Amino acid sequence: DTEVTQTPKHLVMGMTNKKSLKCEQHMGHRAMYWYKQKAKKPPELMFVYSYEKLSINESVPSRFSPECPNSSLLNLHLHALQPEDSALYLCASSQGTYNEQFFGPGTRLTVL
Amino acid sequence: QKEVEQNSGPLSVPEGAIASLNCTYSDRGSQSFFWYRQYSGKSPELIMFIYSNGDKEDGRFTAQLNKASQYVSLLIRDSQPSDSATYLCAVNSFKTGANNLFFGTGTRLTVIP
Repeated sequence: DTEVTQTPKHLVMGMTNKKSLKCEQHMGHRAMYWYKQKAKKPPELMFVYSYEKLSINESVPSRFSPECPNSSLLNLHLHALQPEDSALYLCASSQGTYNEQFFGPGTRLTVL
Repeated sequence: QKEVEQNSGPLSVPEGAIASLNCTYSDRGSQSFFWYRQYSGKSPELIMFIYSNGDKEDGRFTAQLNKASQYVSLLIRDSQPSDSATYLCAVNSFKTGANNLFFGTGTRLTVIP
C-alpha cells in the first residue's frame, strides 16, 4: 500500500465552525506533514511530525492545531478560520525527513 | 534570495520532443532533490528523486544533479500530451534550523499534439 489518504475531499465551513481534517498512511513512514497550497503557488509547509512528535511548526496561527494520535494518523483541527485560509490542504508522509515525501489527494477547504 | 528557483514558463514543446526543466537552489548543504508533477486541481505526485551528482534515469524521465553549480534538471523524452502539468522542483535545506523541503514555484509544461 503506497497511498496516503485524506478526508474529507471537500469542506465548506463558516468562520465560527470547528472541523477536522484527517490523514492516514500505512507505509510505515515515521514522518508526516501538513502543507497549505493556494492556487498557482507551491505547497507551503505548516507542520512536521517525526516519530509522532511535533518537530516543526512554521509559525502557523493557533486556529490551526495539529495532532498525531499514532504513527499512521495525522489530524488538523480547525477553529475560527478566516476566508483567506481557503486553500488546498495537503498531507504527506516519508520514511524519514530526508526521504521522498508522498502526498495525499488533499482537502479543498472553503471558509465562508 | 529564494531557496529554490524555477522558470515559471509556460514551456511548450511538440509531442515527441524532449522537454527540459531547470531548477537552481541556494543552500550548498542540500542533499535531497525531488521533482513532482502536479495536474491542475490535484496533489503533487513524486516522479523522480536524486541524491548524488550525475544523471538518474527512470523510463522517459532523467534527473540531473550538479552540486557544484547548485543546479537540478529534469528531462522528459518523447513528451506526451499527458505530460502537460506543472512540475515542481523541491530541495531539502537546513537553513531554518530544521530539515525542511523547499519548493520552487513550478514550471508549467504544455505538450502540443
